[in-house]
Amino acid sequence: AQKITQTQPGMFVQEKEAVTLDCTYDTSDQSYGLFWYKQPSSGEMIFLIYQGSYDEQNATEGRYSLNFQKARKSANLVISASQLGDSAMYFCAIGNTGGFKTIFGAGTRLFVKA
Amino acid sequence: DTAVSQTPKYLVTQMGNDKSIKCEQNLGHDTMYWYKQDSKKFLKIMFSYNNKELIINETVPNRFSPKSPDKAHLNLHINSLELGDSAVYFCASSQEVQAGNSGYTFGSGTRLTVV
Repeated sequence: AQKITQTQPGMFVQEKEAVTLDCTYDTSDQSYGLFWYKQPSSGEMIFLIYQGSYDEQNATEGRYSLNFQKARKSANLVISASQLGDSAMYFCAIGNTGGFKTIFGAGTRLFVKA
Repeated sequence: DTAVSQTPKYLVTQMGNDKSIKCEQNLGHDTMYWYKQDSKKFLKIMFSYNNKELIINETVPNRFSPKSPDKAHLNLHINSLELGDSAVYFCASSQEVQAGNSGYTFGSGTRLTVV
């Protein structure tokens, strides 16, 4: 069984600063993928970034980077230069390679202060 | 042009009624899903379909019956609605082998309220 743990229910960050959202996972699979999604107050789910379990380099997508530490089973999301529009719920998720099932964490609500 | 479209966006109904939520994707993806998001924002998978075939059924009550007439559509029918069914239901799709590259594409959600 796979499991995602997000221990920060809420986070505050000052505009233009960087913030790290924590995520740890548990899985018995050798091949898996880790994902981050954003859910603004409008409710839609937006895919942000992906890290494969065999990828040696940390994934980056614009201002988003995923700090992947396989031995620690952690996949933290780093948002650089926070913007007011980054205020949202952020979900970490894990999926098996076939993609038929993705398990989501409880989410972290990020507040960006002006 | 919406990639994954769900209708209706809002649904308010009485206990005991039967209702359906429709989902269509125009991305050519092989796999579609239904997720339920509860009032605490927790997202739980309900069903996965790959090329119209049921792959995952996560111990969802029999009152929930998904139907996939073709790989672009995955509808959700709910019988005998209960108060606890109130939630936001998300449809999503992915390309099986590329789920990692682009993740899931979600619909905008259907907010179901049972009164």
